[in-house]
Amino acid sequence: KAGVTQTPRYLIKTRGQQVTLSCSPISGHRSVSWYQQTPGQGLQFLFEYFSETQRNKGNFPGRFSGRQFSNSRSEMNVSTLELGDSALYLCASVRGIGTNEKLFFGSGTQLSVL
Amino acid sequence: GESVGLHLPTLSVQEGDNSIINCAYSNSASDYFIWYKQESGKGPQFIIDIRSNMDKRQGQRVTVLLNKTVKHLSLQIAATQPGDSAVYFCAVGFGNEKLTFGTGTRLTIIP
Repeated sequence: KAGVTQTPRYLIKTRGQQVTLSCSPISGHRSVSWYQQTPGQGLQFLFEYFSETQRNKGNFPGRFSGRQFSNSRSEMNVSTLELGDSALYLCASVRGIGTNEKLFFGSGTQLSVL
Repeated sequence: GESVGLHLPTLSVQEGDNSIINCAYSNSASDYFIWYKQESGKGPQFIIDIRSNMDKRQGQRVTVLLNKTVKHLSLQIAATQPGDSAVYFCAVGFGNEKLTFGTGTRLTIIP
């Protein structure tokens, strides 16, 4: 099976712009979770989508949004970029739920905001 | 909510020696614990997990120890190899809550 595919790998944006990141989960997985990874904060949960519906949401401002398509591919969008949004954004293909949850991560999109 | 911390941000170990990476958590009701390995330029990769009804679990060259009394989790890597160089972090789960991740320990293997 192919793994989790995230595009693009790298992005450079300036403050105030908006960005869209894409994730294709493992074939057959219907759930996708997004995480923000920074050196100081580690992995912070953004949101989770299951069958095109947001199932869980982390503690991030409304500038961060996402969606999932019928083929399970997911996108996340960040509007009005701030310097602090610079981070590695990871998508995980999710199997199971709760303590049976298994996360399979993509290689991430490295976003730099100048 | 849960908070997860690692004891050392960096650790250097001689090739062939054993490594021990530690993690502390705050919620005594946490019932699921996972260790991930993240190599440079890649996403985190599952290594091993353990549930709260166990205190030790072994994999290939790795052992996870869970001490629920002091809310402490450790990952032991036996006979470290250059390919073990990576960032290691733990994740802690409770019920259907999302996993809480630690910030990671960067393990460097000295040849």
